Amino acid sequence: EDQVTQSPEALRLQEGESSSLNCSYTVSGLRGLFWYRQDPGKGPEFLFTLYSAGEEKEKERLKATLTKKESFLHITAPKPEDSATYLCAVQDNYGQNFVFGPGTRLSVLP
Amino acid sequence: DADVTQTPRNRITKTGKRIMLECSQTKGHDRMYWYRQDPGLGLRLIYYSFDVKDINKGEISDGYSVSRQAQAKFSLSLESAIPNQTALYFCATSYAGNQPQHFGDGTRLSIL
Repeated sequence: EDQVTQSPEALRLQEGESSSLNCSYTVSGLRGLFWYRQDPGKGPEFLFTLYSAGEEKEKERLKATLTKKESFLHITAPKPEDSATYLCAVQDNYGQNFVFGPGTRLSVLP
Repeated sequence: DADVTQTPRNRITKTGKRIMLECSQTKGHDRMYWYRQDPGLGLRLIYYSFDVKDINKGEISDGYSVSRQAQAKFSLSLESAIPNQTALYFCATSYAGNQPQHFGDGTRLSIL
């Protein structure tokens, strides 16, 4: 059974203080790993897809990396507007569906 | 206009009532999904559909049913609502198997 865990559950940073969020997964053949951002009262918003170990994707202050067992979302010099819940999800080579982690709630203080 | 629209955005109802949540999309995607989100549990899949004639149960389908009226429309029904179905419900669409899903802004459902 595919499983996804995320840590920490919540993270509080000062503006400009870089950090990383972790997504650990167990899957029978990874088809894709997806990162989303979710703001309160909104649906998840797609950020990145990673397909194979060693792959990296960047967007503004965010950088996602992937190994065979986990993915990291690195946040460089965050701003208050980066405050949100960050979700990761995996899709395996056999199923057609996505398994989501519980998310990391990020707060960036000015 | 939003690409994935869910109605209603909020609903309060009583135990035993039948409820329908609706989802429509303008993205032209064949695949549509219904999830529920509970604090600490993440998004869990209720039902999914890969085209109009294809409906599949997800992880937590008991107590729910769906209808795919057209490529662009996918509705979720709670036949007899119970309080533990109180949650946030999200509809999502995707183009193909390994492409990301795109979500609506959700329906907050409270069952008293």
